[in-house]
Amino acid sequence: DADVTQTPRNRITKTGKRIMLECSQTKGHDRMYWYRQDPGLGLQLIYYSFDVKDINKGEISDGYSVSRQAQAKFSLSLESAIPNQTALYFCATSDPWDEGGSNEQFFGPGTRLTVL
Amino acid sequence: AQKITQTQPGMFVQEKEAVTLDCTYDTSDQSYGLFWYKQPSSGEMIFLIYQGSYDEQNATEGRYSLNFQKARKSANLVISASQLGDSAMYFCAMREGLMYTGNQFYFGTGTSLTVIP
Repeated sequence: DADVTQTPRNRITKTGKRIMLECSQTKGHDRMYWYRQDPGLGLQLIYYSFDVKDINKGEISDGYSVSRQAQAKFSLSLESAIPNQTALYFCATSDPWDEGGSNEQFFGPGTRLTVL
Repeated sequence: AQKITQTQPGMFVQEKEAVTLDCTYDTSDQSYGLFWYKQPSSGEMIFLIYQGSYDEQNATEGRYSLNFQKARKSANLVISASQLGDSAMYFCAMREGLMYTGNQFYFGTGTSLTVIP
């Protein structure tokens, strides 16, 4: 089973709808992140969380909110979706105490969101 | 200013040849980490290699090596003996700050590598 899972994998919705993207992890990592990927722009950080009580905005948090329901779950919400939020969304986790000492990010498979 | 710059939108390499993908970074932190990720057409992000700012030797992982030139703030990825399966997007990324406290990761715009048989 995958260590980091995202649901749904694909979603098409209409402008103005509320959308929730969910992320679950079995890696036991405290740190979780949400990114969006647009063609030609690489990945941009939306929100990150270092533990259940710690939520921080990233570069592009406007129009998004998050919830850290448990160590293993981190959800991203679009309260009122708009077409320019059409993108590929990634959840990631990391462990700063990992053996390699890199604090590398482990990514989920991504959610492809289309807002019409 | 861009934190991570990848100036090669697309690259081609002959199978079995070596290729270098360029990455420059911008930070005033003394402690930082540099990463390369591979994204195949299927979309997942695959970690390839890591270099810490205090590491004196260039990182290597199998056919991947990271050419770290601190004074020039460059962290180029070298892929030796290219294989068809290396065709993918490659992203350079940076974590500012120590691994324990660094919280922001910055990604470049990526380089699309195509391996020609």
